[in-house]
Amino acid sequence: AQSVTQPDIHITVSEGASLELRCNYSYGATPYLFWYVQSPGQGLQLLLKYFSGDTLVQGIKGFEAEFKRSQSSFNLRKPSVHWSDAAEYFCAVGALGAGNKLTFGGGTRVLVKP
Amino acid sequence: GAVVSQHPSWVICKSGTSVKIECRSLDFQATTMFWYRQFPKQSLMLMATSNEGSKATYEQGVEKDKFLINHASLTLSTLTVTSAHPEDSSFYICSAPAGSPNTEAFFGQGTRLTVV
Repeated sequence: AQSVTQPDIHITVSEGASLELRCNYSYGATPYLFWYVQSPGQGLQLLLKYFSGDTLVQGIKGFEAEFKRSQSSFNLRKPSVHWSDAAEYFCAVGALGAGNKLTFGGGTRVLVKP
Repeated sequence: GAVVSQHPSWVICKSGTSVKIECRSLDFQATTMFWYRQFPKQSLMLMATSNEGSKATYEQGVEKDKFLINHASLTLSTLTVTSAHPEDSSFYICSAPAGSPNTEAFFGQGTRLTVV
């Protein structure tokens, strides 16, 4: 069965500093990988996704993620964090043909210090 | 992008009553929709897969008699929490795949259910 691990429950970063959120997955086939962001009490917004091709994926809001098959990782990065990036971030894995039935990681809450 | 609308965004109900949550795909058709549940400060857990015109598929441990799912049309799936109890209080989110070949899941805004 697939699983997703986000090792960091909380991360605090200063505004303007860089951010990296870790994601490790376990999946028996070629994974579809996603990063979502959730503001309090809100639904999920897709930041970026990886299906195939270039392993460095660019997303919205200045985020990028790199797929590393050898490490089973899909870490999310942003060079310079803005206060509005404070939110909960979820990494998820899905399967081709499964209509996007997703397995989510536990989430990482990002706090941004002024 | 595709839009999924969920209604209501929040609901408070008395213990023992039933609550219906709607999930609509506004600008696309969805033969499949997914229902997730999220407890406070926790991740999303898939509850069931809603299939248009057929029975829903429930994940292990999810009571299908308690969480009734109906997918009556290509744009609407409903989740009914029957005989709700305080432990059913949670954030419920639906999603629907879109694009070709269904490569992205679009999420509703979620429903906060509080059972008192």
